[in-house]
Amino acid sequence: DIVMTQTPLSSPVTLGQPASISCRSSQSLLHSDGNTYFSWLHQRPGQPPRLLIYEISNRFSGVPDRFSGSGAGTDFTLKISRVEAEDVGVYYCMQATQLPWTFGQGTKVEIK
Amino acid sequence: EVQLVESGGGLVQPGGSLRLSCAASGFIFDTYWMTWIRQSPGKGLEWVATINPDGNEKYYLNSVRGRVTISRDNAKKSLYLQMNSLRAEDTAVYFCARGGQPLEYWGQGTLVTVSS
Repeated sequence: DIVMTQTPLSSPVTLGQPASISCRSSQSLLHSDGNTYFSWLHQRPGQPPRLLIYEISNRFSGVPDRFSGSGAGTDFTLKISRVEAEDVGVYYCMQATQLPWTFGQGTKVEIK
Repeated sequence: EVQLVESGGGLVQPGGSLRLSCAASGFIFDTYWMTWIRQSPGKGLEWVATINPDGNEKYYLNSVRGRVTISRDNAKKSLYLQMNSLRAEDTAVYFCARGGQPLEYWGQGTLVTVSS
């Protein structure tokens, strides 16, 4: 199984300041069809996860442009250009390139 | 508006069975892959099973294969997860989601507790 490792596991951030989360996979996520099925999700307390970014860098419908994704192969990054209060919660990376699809352990973002 | 509403969770004894349902609305159900994911404090988020739009292609997590069956009724716009021989480690909130690559929309989840 592909193991997804996120860093850091906890990230205290200041409102209005940038934040960054990394995710590393144990194998390349480049699929034989040429796509990389890597995504980022955000979960607020008491809510289901919500898709933010798919295929490394594509923002999903309704996601603010302060969120951006980058990376390739086994190393990926989520950046928030200016953190807002609604951005608190847990962020997960996920791969759907190889079965079983797997998630990172989550990074908790909280306001300092 | 895309809506996914899960139901069918509850308390069940080890070895028991449950059937989870997911009612979909706000999109053309029979054109999308659908997926079940679960979340427990100990294991985090875990993909469980995925089914194609026609219902004839299914994929399962190894630890549930043979005990769990994913199915759908496109006429009823509903997704199902039949779970048998339940174990304590199956205790989790179960979410249904539209899609797979990626998981685009998620329901609120239904809690399954396996305990004697």
